[in-house]
Amino acid sequence: EIVLSQSPGTLSLSPGERATLSCRASQSVSSSSLAWYQQKPGQAPRLLIYGASSRATGIPDRFSGSGSGTDFTLTISRLEPEDFAVYYCQHYGSSRATFGQGTKLEIK
Amino acid sequence: EVQLVQSGAEVKKPGESLKISCKGYGYSFTRYWIGWVRQMPGKGLEWMGIIYPDDSDTRYSPSFQGQVTISADKSIGTAYLQWSSLKASDTAMYYCARFEGVAHWFDPWGQGTLVTVSS
Repeated sequence: EIVLSQSPGTLSLSPGERATLSCRASQSVSSSSLAWYQQKPGQAPRLLIYGASSRATGIPDRFSGSGSGTDFTLTISRLEPEDFAVYYCQHYGSSRATFGQGTKLEIK
Repeated sequence: EVQLVQSGAEVKKPGESLKISCKGYGYSFTRYWIGWVRQMPGKGLEWMGIIYPDDSDTRYSPSFQGQVTISADKSIGTAYLQWSSLKASDTAMYYCARFEGVAHWFDPWGQGTLVTVSS
């Protein structure tokens, strides 16, 4: 069973700064099956990135995804006030989906 | 617009049964998997399982196998998540989401159904 570990658990930054969130898989996974989601308080998750690096429809270009194998990264180039939320990575393989435990991005 | 609309919040007692629903709009319901995800209070996302409405092929997370039943009625474009005997530990928000079966992402998500189990 693949385990996704996200780091850091909490990231404190200011608007305008760059955010780098990590997702590490316990074994090598296909990049095509790695996605990122954003969840704001009281809302359902929203798809940001699929296939490790493709932005979903309507997602601003300040969000980017990268990585392969076991190490994946979500980068937010210049934080806007609305970007402070919890972010999850997700993988699907062998008929199972797995979510990371999440990274909370908070205002410093 | 593609959207999933879930049934409303539920308050139940331990031991009671429950079936919550998720109705798809704006796309061909039988051509995409539907997944269910649990989020316990203050916690992260947990994948429960997926169903392909066209033939009801279902895959469960080992953590939820035998604890819940996922089903679908393709004639009315609705998926279901049900419990036969609720426990207090089933208290959570439950989300459905359309699952892209080739590229493996969840989008869009329903608004969530809050299930509270308390005596």
